[in-house]
Amino acid sequence: KNEVEQSPQNLTAQEGEFITINCSYSVGISALHWLQQHPGGGIVSLFMLSSGKKKHGRLIATINIQEKHSSLHITASHPRDSAVYICASSTQGGSEKLVFGKGTKLTVNP
Amino acid sequence: GEEVAQTPKHLVRGEGQKAKLYCAPIKGHSYVFWYQQVLKNEFKFLISFQNENVFDETGMPKERFSAKCLPNSPCSLEIQATKLEDSAVYFCASSQFRGRNTEAFFGQGTRLTVV
Repeated sequence: KNEVEQSPQNLTAQEGEFITINCSYSVGISALHWLQQHPGGGIVSLFMLSSGKKKHGRLIATINIQEKHSSLHITASHPRDSAVYICASSTQGGSEKLVFGKGTKLTVNP
Repeated sequence: GEEVAQTPKHLVRGEGQKAKLYCAPIKGHSYVFWYQQVLKNEFKFLISFQNENVFDETGMPKERFSAKCLPNSPCSLEIQATKLEDSAVYFCASSQFRGRNTEAFFGQGTRLTVV
């Protein structure tokens, strides 16, 4: 059974700080997703990766397949980055359903 | 369409009433997934479809829950005789492919409140 663990659960930062959110999973995956959920509830897909590193603006996602670990980094954080960040994996050879971590609630103060 | 469209945004039902939720996937996407989010951050997979065929229904409660994806119609998730514990946000997601190209696009969710 695939389990996805995220840390930290809650994170408070000052504007401009560098943020790292960690995610580990227990079985082989076909892809690892990073999602953002705003207070209004909508979910936005930030990254989908199966190896290496991806960058989009101030967001960077990395994955280490051997260690079954992924990180999401936010550079020069801003109050508008405040949201819940969720990591989710789809299992190799499976039905592509996502298994979700419990999320990291990020608050960036001005 | 260019986005996953879920309707309604909010739904309130008395215990025992029926609830029906709809999801129109992005045009050209073959896979549709339904997830239930309870307690803010706990997501539970319910069911997935490949076109109109059930792909994986291992998360569907055996009783009261049913789902369909028919050609030329939005997909639907129906809950018969709702219970208080069914109160949750139900998300639909669609994707074009399987495997390493499976980027999931989520709808805005339907918040179901059972009173």
